[in-house]
Amino acid sequence: EIVLTQSPGTLSLSPGERATLSCRASQSVSSTYLAWYQHKPGQAPRLLISGTSSRASGVPDRFSGSGSGTDFTLTVSSLEPEDFAVYYCQQHGIPPITFGGGTKVEI
Amino acid sequence: QVQLVQSGAEVKRPGSSVTISCKTHGGTFDNYAVSWVRQAPGQGLEYMGRVLPVLGSASYTQRFQDRVTITADKSTRTTYLQLRGLRSDDTALYFCARALPWDPWLDWGQGTLVTVSS
Repeated sequence: EIVLTQSPGTLSLSPGERATLSCRASQSVSSTYLAWYQHKPGQAPRLLISGTSSRASGVPDRFSGSGSGTDFTLTVSSLEPEDFAVYYCQQHGIPPITFGGGTKVEI
Repeated sequence: QVQLVQSGAEVKRPGSSVTISCKTHGGTFDNYAVSWVRQAPGQGLEYMGRVLPVLGSASYTQRFQDRVTITADKSTRTTYLQLRGLRSDDTALYFCARALPWDPWLDWGQGTLVTVSS
């Protein structure tokens, strides 16, 4: 199975700062099948980015995704208070579907 | 507007089984795969498997294939996750999610807490 390794495990930042989250795959992943989710305690995960770089409906443009092959990045250009959460990358192209271990963005 | 509604919290004894349901309200049911993931306390998301109702076929990760059964009832638009041989480390929040087979997961259930304790 494809292993997704996210770094850093925790990112301590302040509102207004830029967040850069990394997702590295153990083998090449088609950019079509790389997604990012935001997860807050007590809530269901929320799809942020699909196909490496396409924002889901209603997702603010401060969120952007990039990458190819084995290296993918989620960037939040200027953190808002509601952005503090755990972020997961997911590959859904090669069974079994796998998630990265998550990056917690904290204040 | 699609809504996935999961059954309520469960408390189970070690060695027993639990069945969680996920009912799809709105949208199309048959052609959308319903997947199950869980989040143990302090851990990340762990994919368990999925079912495609139109085919009635399910697939599981290797870790769960001996203990999990996922089924779909097209008449009630409900998907079920059965987990057998419960252990304390099965204590987790279980989520269902719906998507076309090769798409990312846009629609999610609210989560069901399963607590395994003697």
